[in-house]
Amino acid sequence: NAGVMQNPRHLVRRRGQEARLRCSPMKGHSHVYWYRQLPEEGLKFMVYLQKENIIDESGMPKERFSAEFPKEGPSILRIQQVVRGDSAAYFCASSPFEGTEAFFGQGTRLTVV
Amino acid sequence: GQQLNQSPQSMFIQEGEDVSMNCTSSSIFNTWLWYKQDPGEGPVLLIALYKAGELTSNGRLTAQFGITRKDSFLNISASIPSDVGIYFCAGTPRGAQKLVFGQGTRLTINP
Repeated sequence: NAGVMQNPRHLVRRRGQEARLRCSPMKGHSHVYWYRQLPEEGLKFMVYLQKENIIDESGMPKERFSAEFPKEGPSILRIQQVVRGDSAAYFCASSPFEGTEAFFGQGTRLTVV
Repeated sequence: GQQLNQSPQSMFIQEGEDVSMNCTSSSIFNTWLWYKQDPGEGPVLLIALYKAGELTSNGRLTAQFGITRKDSFLNISASIPSDVGIYFCAGTPRGAQKLVFGQGTRLTINP
């Protein structure tokens, strides 16, 4: 049973471009969380999704950021018109049920140049 | 109210010593989880706790879900070099569905 798969592991974008980060949850998991981590800091909650539904997006900036978890395929975190301040590690986690243990992927390290 | 305060922020210990860290909140949590993160990697789940008062062990690691449901601790016994890393507590606040994290405890071990 493969773990949570995130790709790409590293992503470099120029200011103003779009970044698309993918997360395939563990098999049988229908709950996905996205977190952002700056160097030497903790994990900041961004958004919590179940299949086809956004449950809690209270940690996600209102502009330029969006997330989806379609019926088929991976969850996508999309950042439009990236700025230098978007540079960070973005982690995805999945769980089988709400409020239970969540398992993390290896993360995507976004660098905006 | 849903913030987690994790302490200490960092620890410098000798190999073989025991370690203790904790997380507290002003609000009630339904779930407590403890993770370890190595540089450049994603957090790895160590222990999950679901009931108030629950005490769970995983090898040299022991964690407890506080009886008030507002705190949890993690103990590591007889530390070894591979225990070095950042430890995070996490939990699901009552009435919410998201998983929130503490600020982390950075563990350094002197050989």
